[in-house]
Amino acid sequence: AQKVTQAQTEISVVEKEDVTLDCVYETRDTTYYLFWYKQPPSGELVFLIRRNSFDEQNEISGRYSWNFQKSTSSFNFTITASQVVDSAVYFCALSENKFYFGSGTKLNVKP
Amino acid sequence: DTGVSQNPRHKITKRGQNVTFRCDPISEHNRLYWYRQTLGQGPEFLTYFQNEAQLEKSRLLSDRFSAERPKGSFSTLEIQRTEQGDSAMYLCASRATGPAVEKLFFGSGTQLSVL
Repeated sequence: AQKVTQAQTEISVVEKEDVTLDCVYETRDTTYYLFWYKQPPSGELVFLIRRNSFDEQNEISGRYSWNFQKSTSSFNFTITASQVVDSAVYFCALSENKFYFGSGTKLNVKP
Repeated sequence: DTGVSQNPRHKITKRGQNVTFRCDPISEHNRLYWYRQTLGQGPEFLTYFQNEAQLEKSRLLSDRFSAERPKGSFSTLEIQRTEQGDSAMYLCASRATGPAVEKLFFGSGTQLSVL
């Protein structure tokens, strides 16, 4: 069965610190996709990144970077030089047809 | 692209009443999903459609819940005889289909409170 675990319930950092959000997944599928979504206080889920199971290259987009390691079934997300606007709940998700979401990590960035 | 639209944004009802929510997906998206989210949890899958066909329904969903997408465009989610445990945010999402699993676009949700 598919499962996504985000062990960090809540993280607090001070602005400009780097922070890594962990995501571990379980699946028996050989082809699958992984996603990260952000849910700001306004509530609407916003897409951040998609990765397929055949592409293990790490990706950097501005202050965001993602580390996909198939050997450990992890897809971690790092925010460099965090800002107050990064405060939100972040969800990792695994998909074949349905999307399975983790329970989320609430990130608090303090000024 | 007007995004995924959900109505109403908020619904307060008394236990035992029926409620219906509407979702208008992005027009060219043939996949439509319903999720439920409670405080401190991630979205939980309820059901999804490919055009007008309901392809899967969560086993966690009781018979009080029903969803339709009659013309393959908008969808409705009805909850009959609501219970306090039904209080949650109900999220609708849509996506295109293709060789890859495309990202979901979410609506703002309908917050249901059952008193």
